[in-house]
Amino acid sequence: QKEVEQDPGPLSVPEGAIVSLNCTYSNSAFQYFMWYRQYSRKGPELLMYTYSSGNKEDGRFTAQVDKSSKYISLFIRDSQPSDSATYLCAMNRRSGNTGKLIFGQGTTLQVKP
Amino acid sequence: DAGVIQSPRHEVTEMGQEVTLRCKPISGHDYLFWYRQTMMRGLELLIYFNNNVPIDDSGMPEDRFSAKMPNASFSTLKIQPSEPRDSAVYFCASSPVGGTGNEKLFFGSGTQLSVL
Repeated sequence: QKEVEQDPGPLSVPEGAIVSLNCTYSNSAFQYFMWYRQYSRKGPELLMYTYSSGNKEDGRFTAQVDKSSKYISLFIRDSQPSDSATYLCAMNRRSGNTGKLIFGQGTTLQVKP
Repeated sequence: DAGVIQSPRHEVTEMGQEVTLRCKPISGHDYLFWYRQTMMRGLELLIYFNNNVPIDDSGMPEDRFSAKMPNASFSTLKIQPSEPRDSAVYFCASSPVGGTGNEKLFFGSGTQLSVL
């Protein structure tokens, strides 16, 4: 079993829809949770970062962490065609594991005009 | 800043040949990472450096892979001899912080490697 599970999709939605992307994980030691966005033929870029449980909002994006369920989500409101990309969740333990981010497989999202 | 620069963007080679991938991290970043991305396995950490010193190479698949960082502005990932199963996109990333889990990784655009 992989440490981080993410449905690869693809997920296709109409412009303006609310998008929900999810990851589950098995290691309760993870405390730092991130979402990276990767456009075609580009490297991933950090989109959202959260520590421990709770919500974090940034514009149209909301990241949610539920440590009790080992489940994280990324919500995109009013989705735009420019949001079409692959979204990768990533997570990390605390000290001693610098750089050892564990990534999900990535979910490919297409937002149709 | 130009960001993390990788070269070449594409590499096509024949099985058994030596392949060298290059990376220039963002100036001032102390951490450098090499990742490999495939459809089957996703994004995997191969090795990372802190202040030019290899810290963890447990992700390097086998002895055919080696990485060096001779100075703060340059790193190489070498595969010798290459095999078709090495075909993937190889990413280099750098980060200014570490030790707390609060890393923001800055990725290059990757090298698409095809081994025939």
